[in-house]
Amino acid sequence: QSALTQPASVSGSPGQSITISCTGTSSDVGSYNLVSWYQQHPGKAPKLMIYEGSKRPSGVSNRFSGSKSGNTASLTISGLQAEDEADYYCCSYAGSSTSWVFGGGTKLTVL
Amino acid sequence: QLQLQESGPGLVKPSETLSLTCTVSGGSISSSSYYWGWIRQPPGKGLEWIGSIYYSGSTYYNPSLKSRVTISVDTSKNQFSLKLSSVTAADTAVYYCARQPAAIDAFDIWGQGTMVTVSS
Repeated sequence: QSALTQPASVSGSPGQSITISCTGTSSDVGSYNLVSWYQQHPGKAPKLMIYEGSKRPSGVSNRFSGSKSGNTASLTISGLQAEDEADYYCCSYAGSSTSWVFGGGTKLTVL
Repeated sequence: QLQLQESGPGLVKPSETLSLTCTVSGGSISSSSYYWGWIRQPPGKGLEWIGSIYYSGSTYYNPSLKSRVTISVDTSKNQFSLKLSSVTAADTAVYYCARQPAAIDAFDIWGQGTMVTVSS
């Protein structure tokens, strides 16, 4: 069971937009529209930001959006704010025998 | 408001069994709408799904941990538990419990996490 591939780090200035990629395979990201994204601030539990690829839970800013193309899912954050600085993880369903696999995480720095 | 709280020993000896409990408050663990999962995070590293359980007792485990993991549910106490056997230093991590609504297939509510260190 291999982790999904994310860039180790991304950065952007306040007000800008950034995109974090999450690359899997035809056995996980490519086969199911069940990618979720989590935000984690240091020392805190992860927070669900996107589910089913592009849906936002109640209370999550519409600056956060998700999409998918083939075996790669993406999280876009527009209008970057200082509070967005955190680690971001993607997660995908990978079938009944494997179930859930996470990405390695991406550290977002707001310059 | 639903809350999850992990509890258990913070220090476990190598080769022994790690045991953690997640207590659910503000809602029923017996709802047919949810699965309940365990996720861990080694220091400075990423998240790893350990396994999930349905209130009926159906379980789903990470294949890489399956031989050592047991997840169970106690509906009378509104709790679910994790046992990880034959632990090594590689099992040192923050362990989180989380709710998984069947309708959205994601982990929407998380406990605060508990640090477990494997050391003699």
